[in-house]
Amino acid sequence: DAGITQSPRHKVTETGTPVTLRCHQTENHRYMYWYRQDPGHGLRLIHYSYGVKDTDKGEVSDGYSVSRSKTEDFLLTLESATSSQTSVYFCAISEVRLTWYEQYFGPGTRLTVT
Amino acid sequence: EDKVVQSPLSLVVHEGDTVTLNCSYEVTNFRSLLWYKQEKKAPTFLFMLTSSGIEKKSGRLSSILDKKELFSILNITATQTGDSAIYLCAVGSITGNQFYFGTGTSLTVIP
Repeated sequence: DAGITQSPRHKVTETGTPVTLRCHQTENHRYMYWYRQDPGHGLRLIHYSYGVKDTDKGEVSDGYSVSRSKTEDFLLTLESATSSQTSVYFCAISEVRLTWYEQYFGPGTRLTVT
Repeated sequence: EDKVVQSPLSLVVHEGDTVTLNCSYEVTNFRSLLWYKQEKKAPTFLFMLTSSGIEKKSGRLSSILDKKELFSILNITATQTGDSAIYLCAVGSITGNQFYFGTGTSLTVIP
């Protein structure tokens, strides 16, 4: 258990509204990630963070922004939600084992944009 | 372009069968290859592989990496219905500590 929680776990929202998803970790991991998972596409990286205020874009970052003001929290914001952003969103952390990195996932947030 | 390809896309077997799942990759600055099992929830970590030719085992599951040919296999022996899941392969890159995922292999084990 890597001590990762996500909130909310389920959300239904309307097109055009802003949405913020929260990822919280309790074990001081440096790297945090946001992925979306859709049928036929697997897990795709949206944004990731390598420290407080240090973030970078992933493969599918358009329409999303992130913030990390504290080590333990990584927020994903959909500025104006669209139906194409209906998905399951997973937060992940990266943990060092010796000199290599493993990655562990939070429970996921199912977002529906109507 | 970095990519990870898994095969087959799906597989249906009977309990007791042995299965082999494949993962090939083209990722710049390879660091590690990870296998996950995903049931109807978040992926759960199975193995991390970093060196060629060294088999990792956990019970009936085993995996090996070939860094020269850029692939890995995941073997499951004596399959059980509880092995039914999507198996994901991910490759970690040194660049930005990013991970690239395949689309997964859906395994169904029927009694």
